[in-house]
Amino acid sequence: QKEVEQNSGPLSVPEGAIASLNCTYSDRGSQSFFWYRQYSGKSPELIMFIYSNGDKEDGRFTAQLNKASQYVSLLIRDSQPSDSATYLCAVRDSGGGADGLTFGKGTHLIIQP
Amino acid sequence: GAVVSQHPSRVICKSGTSVKIECRSLDFQATTMFWYRQFPKQSLMLMATSNEGSKATYEQGVEKDKFLINHASLTLSTLTVTSAHPEDSSFYICSARLQETQCFGPGTRLLVL
Repeated sequence: QKEVEQNSGPLSVPEGAIASLNCTYSDRGSQSFFWYRQYSGKSPELIMFIYSNGDKEDGRFTAQLNKASQYVSLLIRDSQPSDSATYLCAVRDSGGGADGLTFGKGTHLIIQP
Repeated sequence: GAVVSQHPSRVICKSGTSVKIECRSLDFQATTMFWYRQFPKQSLMLMATSNEGSKATYEQGVEKDKFLINHASLTLSTLTVTSAHPEDSSFYICSARLQETQCFGPGTRLLVL
């Protein structure tokens, strides 16, 4: 059974600071890794995805992947109150998009003004 | 950008009735759509993968005779919850494959009385 583990939080971060969200996954064969943001009562919104070991930056967001440690993280720089949400880590077996995603339970992030 | 719609957004029904949920990709064609379910405080769980023109692939533990999926066109997939019971009350979210990622619909909240 594939598992994706996240600390449920809440993780409280002051406005302007860096928020660091972590995720581990059990299936060493996973190929694609995603971070989604979900506001209460809404569906997930894609923040970014990463396939290769190392860092990938997009604006204030940086995803980090370490396949050897089966670990994915998301850094949010200059955190804003609007970043307060639940962040879902998801993995997929394949790189091509034909397979569904396995989600973690999410980390509830609170940005304190 | 790519948009996926779902209808209805909310539905309340009596136990024993059937409910149909539609998922449409509005400005792109999706050969593959996915159906997820999310219970309160839980993560999204993949229920099934829907491929246009062929039978859906169900995840382990998901009853295919209870959750009927039809993907008759490149822009529409439907999920019918047959003989719904209170334990089927949940947030049902579809997504459409968009190249290497998935575009999520806004979700349908089902309450079975």
